[in-house]
Amino acid sequence: NSKVIQTPRYLVKGQGQKAKMRCIPEKGHPVVFWYQQNKNNEFKFLINFQNQEVLQQIDMTEKRFSAECPSNSPCSLEIQSSEAGDSALYLCASSPPNTGQLYFGEGSKLTVL
Amino acid sequence: AQSVTQPDARVTVSEGASLQLRCKYSSSVTPYLFWYVQYPRQGLQLLLKYYSGDPVVQGVNGFEAEFSKSNSSFHLRKASVHWSDSAVYFCAVSISTNAYKVIFGKGTHLHVLP
Repeated sequence: NSKVIQTPRYLVKGQGQKAKMRCIPEKGHPVVFWYQQNKNNEFKFLINFQNQEVLQQIDMTEKRFSAECPSNSPCSLEIQSSEAGDSALYLCASSPPNTGQLYFGEGSKLTVL
Repeated sequence: AQSVTQPDARVTVSEGASLQLRCKYSSSVTPYLFWYVQYPRQGLQLLLKYYSGDPVVQGVNGFEAEFSKSNSSFHLRKASVHWSDSAVYFCAVSISTNAYKVIFGKGTHLHVLP
C-alpha cells in the first residue's frame, strides 16, 4: 500500500479550467517529484523539490504549470488553464536520502474535455 | 546523457512459464538501476534495485535481475509467472543515489494467460 498520498484520484476539467492536484510525501523523505505519464506510458519529469525548495524543473515556458511544496502542508501541482494535451496521469513520488529509490503515489488522473 | 530502452512493448506468456523482460541502458558511468511495476490504476512499486556488487539481485515476488556492464543491460527474470503478474514493468536508471534525475524506459506490458 502506497504511503505517498495523492488526491484526487480522478479529476475532469474543461479546457481553460484550473486543475489542482495534491500530494503528501512519505514521512522522512526530503525529496518530492512530479511526473506526467501519458497514455503511452511515457514519463515526463516535471519538477522536484527538496525541503520545499525547487531542485529541477522542466522549462515551463507557458507558465501554465506551477508547483509548490510548503512545509507542514501537502505539495501541489496546478495547471492554470487546462488543455486537452494535459490529459494524463500525474504521479507524485518521494525519495529518502541516498537511495535513488522513488516511492510513488497512486496518481491523479486528469481528463481535459 | 543517460537513456533506457525496453525493446519489447508487449510480452505475452502462459501462466507457469518463465519470463525475461529486457532492458538496455546507455550511460557514461555505471548507473544505479531499478525495475518498477505498475498494476492497473495504481502507482509504481519497486521490484528491485542494483547499486553495486553481485550482478544478480533478488526482488519481491520471485523476480530477479542481472546487471551486465559489458552488454549495458539489466534484464528482469522470473522462473514461473502467475496471472497476477500481468502489469506494466518499467526499467529505470539514475547516475545518482539522490534520485535527482531518474530516467524511465517506455515500459513493457506483460500479459499472463491463465
